[in-house]
Amino acid sequence: AQSVAQPEDQVNVAEGNPLTVKCTYSVSGNPYLFWYVQYPNRGLQFLLKYITGDNLVKGSYGFEAEFNKSQTSFHLKKPSALVSDSALYFCAVREEGGYQKVTFGTGTKLQVIP
Amino acid sequence: GAVVSQHPSRVICKSGTSVKIECRSLDFQATTMFWYRQFPKKSLMLMATSNEGSKATYEQGVEKDKFLINHASLTLSTLTVTSAHPEDSSFYICSAMGSDTQYFGPGTRLTVL
Repeated sequence: AQSVAQPEDQVNVAEGNPLTVKCTYSVSGNPYLFWYVQYPNRGLQFLLKYITGDNLVKGSYGFEAEFNKSQTSFHLKKPSALVSDSALYFCAVREEGGYQKVTFGTGTKLQVIP
Repeated sequence: GAVVSQHPSRVICKSGTSVKIECRSLDFQATTMFWYRQFPKKSLMLMATSNEGSKATYEQGVEKDKFLINHASLTLSTLTVTSAHPEDSSFYICSAMGSDTQYFGPGTRLTVL
């Protein structure tokens, strides 16, 4: 079985400071990892994914995430937070190979304080 | 690229009526689409997986006769909430699978009076 944990319900960060949203995962095989962002009353927007290759993945809006196999983590980061980054962030995982349902984390609300 | 549309964005209906929600992949073909339900401040609950040309696969606890899913083409899946009741009020989101990634529609807010 695969699972995703987002240990923080909410993260507060001051505008201009670096931000990190944590995610750990569990799969039997190789993971495909994803980050999505959701603004109020909207669907999820794809930010970035890790399939294979470089452990540091760069995505939309200046976000990046680092795949750490030994720690089974895929934390989302941004060097300088913007107020407009305030939203709900979801981490997701599925196992490599064949068709597998994606499992989503419970979401982390990011609040960037002006 | 990878745009998914959903229609309508918001619908209000009377109890006992049926509501159809459309999900379209605009610039890619999707053999697989997904339907989710999201409660306030909660994560996504997968309702069913829709495969083009075949019956949908429903998650445990989801009534297939109440939530009818049709995936008649590679770009369109529909969810019909039959005999809707107030407890069906929710935010429904579809997604389409493309290039190992799920792309999501903007969601439909259903309110059943």
